[in-house]
Amino acid sequence: AQRVTQPEKLLSVFKGAPVELKCNYSYSGSPELFWYVQYSRQRLQLLLRHISRESIKGFTADLNKGETSFHLKKPFAQEEDSAMYYCALSGLNAGNMLTFGGGTRLMVKP
Amino acid sequence: EPEVTQTPSHQVTQMGQEVILRCVPISNHLYFYWYRQILGQKVEFLVSFYNNEISEKSEIFDDQFSVERPDGSNFTLKIRSTKLEDSAMYFCASSDSGRAQYFGPGTRLLVL
Repeated sequence: AQRVTQPEKLLSVFKGAPVELKCNYSYSGSPELFWYVQYSRQRLQLLLRHISRESIKGFTADLNKGETSFHLKKPFAQEEDSAMYYCALSGLNAGNMLTFGGGTRLMVKP
Repeated sequence: EPEVTQTPSHQVTQMGQEVILRCVPISNHLYFYWYRQILGQKVEFLVSFYNNEISEKSEIFDDQFSVERPDGSNFTLKIRSTKLEDSAMYFCASSDSGRAQYFGPGTRLLVL
């Protein structure tokens, strides 16, 4: 069975501080990992996918297969980063479902 | 930038009534999905749809649920006889490649 765990429900940091949102997964095979963000009253938006290896809005995430983790990082948090962040995985076959973690609410204080 | 749209944004219904939730996926996308999120819980997969048929469904997606793509643009989720526990936010998503999925704003369903 596939599972995604986000151990922190809430993460509160000050503006300018580094941020790390943790994500661990279990999957028998090679998954594709994603981070989605949901700003207040808005839809789930795709933030990052591990395959593209991009940096979006200053966020990066590296897939660590040994530790089965896909932590989301940003060196200097901004107030506008305050949102709900969801880690998700799918299989590598086209059309596979997404399995979501429980989400972490990031609050960036001024 | 094209987006997935969903209607209605909110729906209140009586237990036992049928509801139809509507979605318009991004126009060149081929894969369609429904998810739901009960308040305070995880986003859960319900069903995926490709090439005019269900490709995958979860154990939540029982006989009271059905999906349809009645024309070239809409993708609907029908709940035949709603239960209290069907109260949730329902998200539609679509994908062109079957990998990254793009979500609609959701329909909040309340069953009384």
